[in-house]
Amino acid sequence: GAGVSQSPSNKVTEKGKDVELRCDPISGHTALYWYRQSLGQGLEFLIYFQGNSAPDKSGLPSDRFSAERTGGSVSTLTIQRTQQEDSAVYLCASSQGLAGTSGANVLTFGAGSRLTVL
Amino acid sequence: RKEVEQDPGPFNVPEGATVAFNCTYSNSASQSFFWYRQDCRKEPKLLMSVYSSGNEDGRFTAQLNRASQYISLLIRDSKLSDSATYLCVVYPNDYKLSFGAGTTVTVRA
Repeated sequence: GAGVSQSPSNKVTEKGKDVELRCDPISGHTALYWYRQSLGQGLEFLIYFQGNSAPDKSGLPSDRFSAERTGGSVSTLTIQRTQQEDSAVYLCASSQGLAGTSGANVLTFGAGSRLTVL
Repeated sequence: RKEVEQDPGPFNVPEGATVAFNCTYSNSASQSFFWYRQDCRKEPKLLMSVYSSGNEDGRFTAQLNRASQYISLLIRDSKLSDSATYLCVVYPNDYKLSFGAGTTVTVRA
C-alpha cells in the first residue's frame, strides 16, 4: 500500500480480555517495527521483524505480549489478559531495510492503534 | 542514563522567532541520527536526517557534534504550523532505533 496501515484505530476493552492489533506495512518493506507510546511519553521499542523473523523480542513488556508476521507483510501484535497499564498507542513502522543503516532506510509510521483498557 | 535525552520544553516562541534545542545520546558508537516531528495525537513523521557535516532543509538546520555526543535542531522564522513535538532518533549500532521523549515547540501568533 501507499502507507503503513494499522487497525483498529481505536480499541476499548475490558481488563482481562485479549486484543489483536494489525499492521500492514508499505509494500516491499522488509523491516517492521512495533513501538508503544503512553500519554506524554516517548516511544518504547517492543519488537522488530526482518522478513518473518523477529531477532529480538526482549522489548515485549511481558509474556502476555506476542507478535507474528506472515508472508513478509502483515504483522499482528496480540496482548492477552489485558491490564490497565497496557493502555497506550501502539505504533507500527516499516522501512525498506534495517532502519537507520542508510538514508534510504528510514521508518515510516502508521497512524497507530489507541488501546484503552478499562 | 537514557540512551537519548531531550529537553521536554515546552519552547513557546512568537511567529518569526528562531528556536533551537539539543538532544544528547549516550552511545558513542551511534551511526545515524534523525529528527522526527509528531503532531498531537498523530504518528511521528521524518523531518530530516542529520549528517556529520550538518545539513539544512529550508528553515530547518540540523547539526551533529560527535565529540560532545549531541545533535541539534534549529528552526528559523518560526511558523504557527511548526508547533509540534520534535523527536530525536538515534541509531546506536543495532536495529533498535532509540527515540527521545521529544521537545515540544509552541509557536504563537
